[in-house]
Amino acid sequence: NAGVTQTPKFQVLKTGQSMTLQCAQDMNHEYMSWYRQDPGMGLRLIHYSVGAGITDQGEVPNGYNVSRSTTEDFPLRLLSAAPSQTSVYFCASSYSPGRYEQYFGPGTRLTVT
Amino acid sequence: GESVGLHLPTLSVQEGDNSIINCAYSNSASDYFIWYKQESGKGPQFIIDIRSNMDKRQGQRVTVLLNKTVKHLSLQIAATQPGDSAVYFCAESPYSGGGADGLTFGKGTHLIIQP
Repeated sequence: NAGVTQTPKFQVLKTGQSMTLQCAQDMNHEYMSWYRQDPGMGLRLIHYSVGAGITDQGEVPNGYNVSRSTTEDFPLRLLSAAPSQTSVYFCASSYSPGRYEQYFGPGTRLTVT
Repeated sequence: GESVGLHLPTLSVQEGDNSIINCAYSNSASDYFIWYKQESGKGPQFIIDIRSNMDKRQGQRVTVLLNKTVKHLSLQIAATQPGDSAVYFCAESPYSGGGADGLTFGKGTHLIIQP
């Protein structure tokens, strides 16, 4: 198993540009989520999904969209990048929400200038 | 706001000593807690978890203690090794009756191992 994979590893955007961060898992996990991690802070939940076709907002959803058309993939879209979105983004998956171990991807480091 | 937190942002220990990393949480309804280890440039890695119906759980060289009376969680690492150097996060899963909430993370403690 590759586990949770994320692409790209690094990205630089200009303010106002849009892009999609890719996330895929091959463990047949129903639950997937996106977090952002800022310096000196823990991870904060952006969006999550309990299965294909179902998504919901987390703690900091503004400026981000998600979709879940398959069990394997959970892309995160930045609609109009802002400097405040400079962060490291982690995708995670687990068998079941909340009460089971979440597996994290290696992260995408995004800089918005 | 933060519902979990760690008492110290940095903890420095001698190689071979035992390490204790602490975490306080405020949601008394939380029923599942996890410790993660994050090495530089990598995603968080699961270490050990504990449910609210337990007060202690042991793994390989690690022990998690849960004190629900004072809402305190700790991670003990025995015989600390250089490879233990990382940022350690506690996280809680709020009880949501089967809902789909994600984990709430604390800010992390950076464990530094001195030779």
